[in-house]
Amino acid sequence: EDQVTQSPEALRLQEGESSSLNCSYTVSGLRGLFWYRQDPGKGPEFLFTLYSAGEEKEKERLKATLTKKESFLHITAPKPEDSATYLCAVQADSSASKIIFGSGTRLSIRP
Amino acid sequence: NAGVTQTPKFQVLKTGQSMTLQCAQDMNHNSMYWYRQDPGMGLRLIYYSASEGTTDKGEVPNGYNVSRLNKREFSLRLESAAPSQTSVYFCASLSRTGQEFGNTIYFGEGSWLTVV
Repeated sequence: EDQVTQSPEALRLQEGESSSLNCSYTVSGLRGLFWYRQDPGKGPEFLFTLYSAGEEKEKERLKATLTKKESFLHITAPKPEDSATYLCAVQADSSASKIIFGSGTRLSIRP
Repeated sequence: NAGVTQTPKFQVLKTGQSMTLQCAQDMNHNSMYWYRQDPGMGLRLIYYSASEGTTDKGEVPNGYNVSRLNKREFSLRLESAAPSQTSVYFCASLSRTGQEFGNTIYFGEGSWLTVV
């Protein structure tokens, strides 16, 4: 059965303190792995889609990487405005339209 | 440039009442989804539709039914609402699947449902 696990559940950092969020997955063939950001009371906002092991994508202070078993969202020198819940989702080859999400990581950046 | 539109935004139901959440997308996407999100949790897949005329169960389908009315519209029905169905519901659609097309999931703004 396809599964997505995110860790940690919550992370508190000081402004400027870099760290990484983890998304581990178990699927029968990965078609795509998605990262989204969600602010309280809002819908998820697209960040990245990764397709194959070794792929990396960057956007401002965020960098997403992908291996055959997990993905990392690296946050470099975060600012308070980076505080949000970060969600990971996978799309498997076995059912190309089915997309399941992890439970998210709540990130809080203190000034 | 509406994207994914879902209605209503807020609804309060009494236990046992029925209601339908409506969703429409104007991006000509084949795949559409309904998720629910409980406080402090991620998104759980209720039902999805790979194309017009097809629907499949997701992770938490019990207590819900769906209809893919046409390519644009995908509705979610609660036949007999229960307090456990109090949640935020998100409709979504997926751009064409495959790396060559650049997959992106587009979300509606959410529907806040309270069952008392």
